[in-house]
Amino acid sequence: DAGVTQSPTHLIKTRGQQVTLRCSPKSGHDTVSWYQQALGQGPQFIFQYYEEEERQRGNFPDRFSGHQFPNYSSELNVNALLLGDSALYLCASSSSFPFSGRAGDTQYFGPGTRLTVL
Amino acid sequence: GIQVEQSPPDLILQEGANSTLRCNFSDSVNNLQWFHQNPWGQLINLFYIPSGTKQNGRLSATTVATERYSLLYISSSQTTDSGVYFCAVADSWGKLQFGAGTQVVVTP
Repeated sequence: DAGVTQSPTHLIKTRGQQVTLRCSPKSGHDTVSWYQQALGQGPQFIFQYYEEEERQRGNFPDRFSGHQFPNYSSELNVNALLLGDSALYLCASSSSFPFSGRAGDTQYFGPGTRLTVL
Repeated sequence: GIQVEQSPPDLILQEGANSTLRCNFSDSVNNLQWFHQNPWGQLINLFYIPSGTKQNGRLSATTVATERYSLLYISSSQTTDSGVYFCAVADSWGKLQFGAGTQVVVTP
């Protein structure tokens, strides 16, 4: 049973460029969320996708956009990269939306993509 | 939104020692998770524990939802326990709010 997978593992970009990160959810999961983790901080929620629609969004600018495909995989796109976008980007999946308060609400995280903007 | 506070921010343990990590949250929740982030950045699920007590090997967790706190216990610590421990609570739509984490270093 494959867990959450993300690609690429590492990425180096320059300011102003655009980047696309990819995520495949854990088998049986249909909800995907993206988080940004800056160095020394806890992960911050970017947005969540369910049934190919963005359901919730955190406090991130429109430069951050996403997509969910019919097979539940997801992409995170960031345009006009800034130095401050350098971070670990984490994808999480779960099998229930909205949350029911049961153990099935557990979110599982992928290994992350480390983005460096120069 | 819900505020999540973790203490202590840093913890240095000698191998074999026991420790307690604390997570306070500002509002009632029906979803709380503990994670261990290894040095490579992978967030590993430890417990889904909105209330009550659970144990998994040398780790155990207790959440007292009515008093808005959760505790993670590490017993007989090993060097592999090193890393950052996060607690996170979710709103009804699944958005996880993380604490700032507790950095644990276990020395041989």
